[in-house]
Order: sequence, then structure tokens, then C-alpha cells
Amino acid sequence: GQQVMQIPQYQHVQEGEDFTTYCNSSTTLSNIQWYKQRPGGHPVFLIQLVKSGEVKKQKRLTFQFGEAKKNSSLHITATQTTDVGTYFCAGRSDKLIFGTGTRLQVFP
Amino acid sequence: DGGITQSPKYLFRKEGQNVTLSCEQNLNHDAMYWYRQDPGQGLRLIYYSQIVNDFQKGDIAEGYSVSREKKESFPLTVTSAQKNPTAFYLCASSRGQERADTQYFGPGTRLTVL
Repeated sequence: GQQVMQIPQYQHVQEGEDFTTYCNSSTTLSNIQWYKQRPGGHPVFLIQLVKSGEVKKQKRLTFQFGEAKKNSSLHITATQTTDVGTYFCAGRSDKLIFGTGTRLQVFP
Repeated sequence: DGGITQSPKYLFRKEGQNVTLSCEQNLNHDAMYWYRQDPGQGLRLIYYSQIVNDFQKGDIAEGYSVSREKKESFPLTVTSAQKNPTAFYLCASSRGQERADTQYFGPGTRLTVL
């Protein structure tokens, strides 16, 4: 069945360092979504990517969708303590499957 | 103020008891979902409903039941048949009937079985 894996599971960075999380699907995706969950909170939608090779930016966040539409990445430039949380990708082929998430901790 | 509400925020249950988690949305969304989240893990789909009076099992439906009598409401019952019910339960809704539509999550209910 369809599987969506994310790496790394955890990432600890010093404030100001960059951070990247990777999402890989076992099947070709029609689109991919990214969500952020703050500690103790609920997932909040960040963005959706649809086209092969698509790149979208939101301030310090850069989202990419792979050419083969089977992988995606989220890169945060110069992390801040407000970036702390778990980042989930959710890929859709015949159904929407959430990845396992990457928990980001930022030390001041 | 539109959104999704879940109640209660924290819930304690004795083993062998059924418990019902509430989920209400005023976004006029057709589809609603229930997910379970365990510490350090992703979201696993329990049940979903694409339209009133209809719902389908997700990946981990055993030990759970739902109803969708009204568009706004999608309560989840955790039955005594669920062997390991302690978890964080998230309700979500989306505009259309496509499960890939953007999902809007409620604040969650943290269930602990004593």
C-alpha cells in the first residue's frame, strides 16, 4: 500500500542554523501538503504543491516537489525559536497519507 | 468565528468504559475525519465521512465507532474493545469530498485510560 516516510525523525539545531526535512512516497503523488504542529497543538496547513518540480516560498520556508512527484522537502533558512514544532507532509495518490513527521527543536 | 471545536480537551476513562469525543465544525465543510496520534508518531486515520449519513473506515477503525447525523457534527466513540486507547485524538474537516483537500484540524482531545 501507499507509504509516506519522513526523515529525520528529530532534528535539534542552534538558532540561526538551517533545517531541512525530507518526505518520500512509495507511489507517485498527485499533490503534497505540508502541515506544522506546535508542541501541544494541532496540525495547521502550510502549503500544497501540485506540479512536478514546483518550488514555493513562504518567508524563510522553501518547499519543493520532486520531478518524479514522489518526494518533497521543506527547508527553513536561519531557524528561529518560533519554528519549533513537528512538520508533517501529507501525500495524495488515491488517498491522503500523512508522513511520520519531523520534530524540530531550536536552541537559542 | 469559524472553526472546529473538540471537547473535552482532556479525558480520563477507566478500563472497560466507552467514551464519546465530540467534534463540531461551522465551516460548512462536507467531509470530516478522525485521526489518532501517538507520541512521536504521525497521524493515523480512524474514520472519515464525506457526506451526512455516510462514513467509511480508515486504517485503524477497530474498537471505534462514529456517526454523522448532521453536517456539523462527527462524534467518535472509543469502545472498550479498543485495546490501547490512550492517545491524542484529532478531528479534521475539509471543504469537498476529496480526501486530499486541505484539512482543518480541531484542537484535539487527549484521552488517558486509567
